[in-house]
Parts: sequence; C-alpha cells; structure tokens
Amino acid sequence: GAGVSQTPSNKVTEKGKYVELRCDPISGHTALYWYRQSLGQGPEFLIYFQGTGAADDSGLPNDRFFAVRPEGSVSTLKIQRTERGDSAVYLCASSFQSRGARTDTQYFGPGTRLTVL
Amino acid sequence: DAKTTQPNSMESNEEEPVHLPCNHSTISGTDYIHWYRQLPSQGPEYVIHGLTSNVNNRMASLAIAEDRKSSTLILHRATLRDAAVYYCILPNRDDKIIFGKGTRLHILP
Repeated sequence: GAGVSQTPSNKVTEKGKYVELRCDPISGHTALYWYRQSLGQGPEFLIYFQGTGAADDSGLPNDRFFAVRPEGSVSTLKIQRTERGDSAVYLCASSFQSRGARTDTQYFGPGTRLTVL
Repeated sequence: DAKTTQPNSMESNEEEPVHLPCNHSTISGTDYIHWYRQLPSQGPEYVIHGLTSNVNNRMASLAIAEDRKSSTLILHRATLRDAAVYYCILPNRDDKIIFGKGTRLHILP
C-alpha cells in the first residue's frame, strides 16, 4: 500500500520568505509526527498530532513554526520569515497508535529538503 | 524520558554477523526498546522492538539483557544494503521518539 508521502521533495527559498511543507500520512493512521534533521544529526522532534489536535508541540523551535492537520489526515508544516538556520530535512511520520501502548511503529516519509538562501 | 547510549560508528565485513549494542540503564519497567535505521537519503524505517524477551523478525534479531539495561541488535548476515545509521530508542507514553545520533554502520565488501 501507499506509504507516507511528502511534498515537495526539495524546496529552495530566500531568507524571510514563507514556506509550507505537506505530509500525506498512511490512510487510517491517527497519529502524525513532524521531525527536523540537520546534517549529521538524528531527527529532532517538532510536533505530534493525535487526530486533528496537536497533542505535543514542545519541539517547535519558535513561533515562526506552525503546523495544522484540519481533517485528521494531511498535515502542513508552515514556516514564516524563514532563516538560513531553518535549512534541514523535514521528516513526517505516521502511526496507527494504540495510545500509550509504546509499541506502535512510526512510518516515515522521504522528507522535504529545505534550503534557505 | 529514558536515554540510550550507542557507539558512534561500527564496521563489519559483508556477509558476516553484526552486533550493534545499546545501553539504556535508566529504562523503566514499561519501556519498550525499539530500533530504527536510516539508509542514506531516506527517512528512518522501523527494524524491530521488544520488551523483555528476545525477538526475531525477517530483518534482524533483538537480544535484551536480563536486567534490561542493555540490548543488542543482531544482523545475521550483513549486506552492503545494511549500511545505515541505526537508532536505539525508548518511546514514551505518546510513542514520541527522541532520536540520538545512533550508530553509523559501515559494511566492507
């Protein structure tokens, strides 16, 4: 079946611009996660959705970052006034999630490589 | 959240077994041990998970110490396609994954 997809695969923008990154999770997965990965580092947690609501947004670095999941499926990560330090690969993952079971597998998309010039 | 410690990198010869260690001395009784790996230019992928007993699947085996303070991911016969960064993780109640730097596995032909 279809896995997690992310668009665009690459995004180049200029400092100060606004960008949107899209994630299509696996159908039926209630949990959705966003991560950011810088070169040579492991993925860094940003935000987690359970259904339509953001259950944990403690990883968002500042208020320039915002994410939505209005219908409990597709999610968009929005970055305002981009800075060069925002350049990274942004990863999305989804899981079926039996909440609290600690056994759910996260399925990751291929990521969006964001470059801020 | 419980933390894990892994070597930065390891090398192995092709077609030989690989044992990737992970220390998690602060693990709690309800923490599952998960392993993910990330191939070059791809998102992470699930490998295996376990709680107390050793686990086997088509990708790997997971050997868990009796006191659960450490575990070992075993690739029985490494191939060049197994070259990746391997992450040992203890998800929290919300299945939130905190990735460390993992172990970069190099496979020598």
